[in-house]
Amino acid sequence: SQKIEQNSEALNIQEGKTATLTCNYTNYSPAYLQWYRQDPGRGPVFLLLIRENEKEKRKERLKVTFDTTLKQSLFHITASQPADSATYLCASFGNEKLTFGTGTRLTIIP
Amino acid sequence: GAVVSQHPSRVICKSGTSVKIECRSLDFQATTMFWYRQFPKKSLMLMATSNEGSKATYEQGVEKDKFLINHASLTLSTLTVTSAHPEDSSFYICSVKGLVADEQFFGPGTRLTVL
Repeated sequence: SQKIEQNSEALNIQEGKTATLTCNYTNYSPAYLQWYRQDPGRGPVFLLLIRENEKEKRKERLKVTFDTTLKQSLFHITASQPADSATYLCASFGNEKLTFGTGTRLTIIP
Repeated sequence: GAVVSQHPSRVICKSGTSVKIECRSLDFQATTMFWYRQFPKKSLMLMATSNEGSKATYEQGVEKDKFLINHASLTLSTLTVTSAHPEDSSFYICSVKGLVADEQFFGPGTRLTVL
């Protein structure tokens, strides 16, 4: 069955540095991956989608990569700010549905 | 992206009662709507997928007679939790997807507490 993992449950980064979050998948090849931000008590907010034939996608301070050889996606936030503190979810699309990782709780320390 | 609303945002009910949660796509024709459930510190788990005008497809382990889903139009889906029990207490989130684009957008969620 599809399995997607975000290995870091929590990550603390100093303000101004780049935060890098990891998402790994096994047992399948997703057509695309999506990254979301979720704040406590709120629904996920869509950030970026990257397809299997795309190596990298950017949006403002966000960058996502997709390595089909390593079966991994990396999510980067450059020039991180305290307002970036949230849980970030990786989701892969396969078998007509999104499967979510457990998320990484990112804290940006001023 | 699409703007999705849910109502109510939180609900407390007694065990044995039924609760209806509405999901509206305010500016987007949602050909497909999804319902997820999220327990504290856990990931989102897909409960069911519905296409407008069709019966919902439920994930394994989700009781279709307990979680009634109606996708009446391209902008409205409802989830009814029938005969709710304390173990049904959770955060329920709907999501929408259009026919062309692959992006999926989520509502703000509904916190259900069954006493």
